Amino acid sequence: AQSVSQHNHHVILSEAASLELGCNYSYGGTVNLFWYVQYPGQHLQLLLKYFSGDPLVKGIKGFEAEFIKSKFSFNLRKPSVQWSDTAEYFCAVNLPYGNNRLAFGKGNQVVVIP
Amino acid sequence: DTGVSQNPRHKITKRGQNVTFRCDPISEHNRLYWYRQTLGQGPEFLTYFQNEAQLEKSRLLSDRFSAERPKGSFSTLEIQRTEQGDSAMYLCASGDDRVEQPQHFGDGTRLSIL
Repeated sequence: AQSVSQHNHHVILSEAASLELGCNYSYGGTVNLFWYVQYPGQHLQLLLKYFSGDPLVKGIKGFEAEFIKSKFSFNLRKPSVQWSDTAEYFCAVNLPYGNNRLAFGKGNQVVVIP
Repeated sequence: DTGVSQNPRHKITKRGQNVTFRCDPISEHNRLYWYRQTLGQGPEFLTYFQNEAQLEKSRLLSDRFSAERPKGSFSTLEIQRTEQGDSAMYLCASGDDRVEQPQHFGDGTRLSIL
């Protein structure tokens, strides 16, 4: 079965600091990769996705992620965070065929201190 | 707002009672998913519909759980004889057949079992 690993469940940092969240998946075949964000009191929203092509993908709000196939990783980065980036971040993977169901990591709770 | 709608937002019930949740997906989406999220975990897949057909059920979905999507539009998730362990956030997502299109999530229904 697919599994997705996210480490450092709780991250606290100051505004303007850089953020990097790690994501590793276990599936060996071709996968589609996603980062979703959940702001306090809101539903899950897509930050960015990778299907094919350039392994460095850019998403909304200044986020980017790099797919490294050899490391089975899809790490999320933002060079300078803002207080409004306080949220929970989930990495997810699905297979590019079948029912497209998502397998999620446990999430990273990020708190940005003004 | 034409996003995914879930009702109710919160449900508190006594152990042993039956509960039913509703999900209204984005109208043009033929795929509908139910996920469950417990504290400190990412969402876990429960079941999937393509139009009105329920095509996959997770092993997490015990016999006490049943889901329907009678006309390929809205869906209901019923839990019979609720147990303490059923306390969770129940998320609905919808999508279409295009692999590159992400799933859109609703706000969820938070179930608390007393």
